[in-house]
Amino acid sequence: GESVGLHLPTLSVQEGDNSIINCAYSNSASDYFIWYKQESGKGPQFIIDIRSNMDKRQGQRVTVLLNKTVKHLSLQIAATQPGDSAVYFCAEASGYSTLTFGKGTMLLVSP
Amino acid sequence: SQTIHQWPATLVQPVGSPLSLECTVEGTSNPNLYWYRQAAGRGLQLLFYSVGIGQISSEVPQNLSASRPQDRQFILSSKKLLLSDSGFYLCAWSASGTGGYEQYFGPGTRLTVT
Repeated sequence: GESVGLHLPTLSVQEGDNSIINCAYSNSASDYFIWYKQESGKGPQFIIDIRSNMDKRQGQRVTVLLNKTVKHLSLQIAATQPGDSAVYFCAEASGYSTLTFGKGTMLLVSP
Repeated sequence: SQTIHQWPATLVQPVGSPLSLECTVEGTSNPNLYWYRQAAGRGLQLLFYSVGIGQISSEVPQNLSASRPQDRQFILSSKKLLLSDSGFYLCAWSASGTGGYEQYFGPGTRLTVT
């Protein structure tokens, strides 16, 4: 079946740097994308979402970019902080409200 | 505001023993409910989802089952656990109806089968 995947399993950055986490998807029918943050031993936490009729959406310190031409999704975190260290998952959905999750990227922020 | 609860937080069970994990949601009505399993260092695997009382859809054939006896209660069960059932079990909810893909997750249950 079609799936969502991530390019980088681990990303290490310095505190204050900007982080970019990438995600590729293969289902061209997907109309909704979402990013989650999961800290160790906890459930995933919603960060930001975007619908397929948009290219960019901004939140507090985070921006999601959607490139439908190449089926690519990215999460940008500005001024990364140690508290941002976690695993980040992208997920896609179409039709019913079931999400298909990618494998995840570990973000490590050094002080 | 809506909250989601799971218990127990951690569980150690021997192979062949039964399992019952419970999830409850507060502050919303008729939610869609989901059970996921996450192996160590891996992504989330959808096990079951429910759009209403008594309505269960299974995504992966296995020795687990799910039930929804009440609107905001979702239970994950097994009659006989296998070693491969070890993992982090997450319950989630989303708003019913159209346009609401966003899911909200509970704190999870760490299950170790020995």
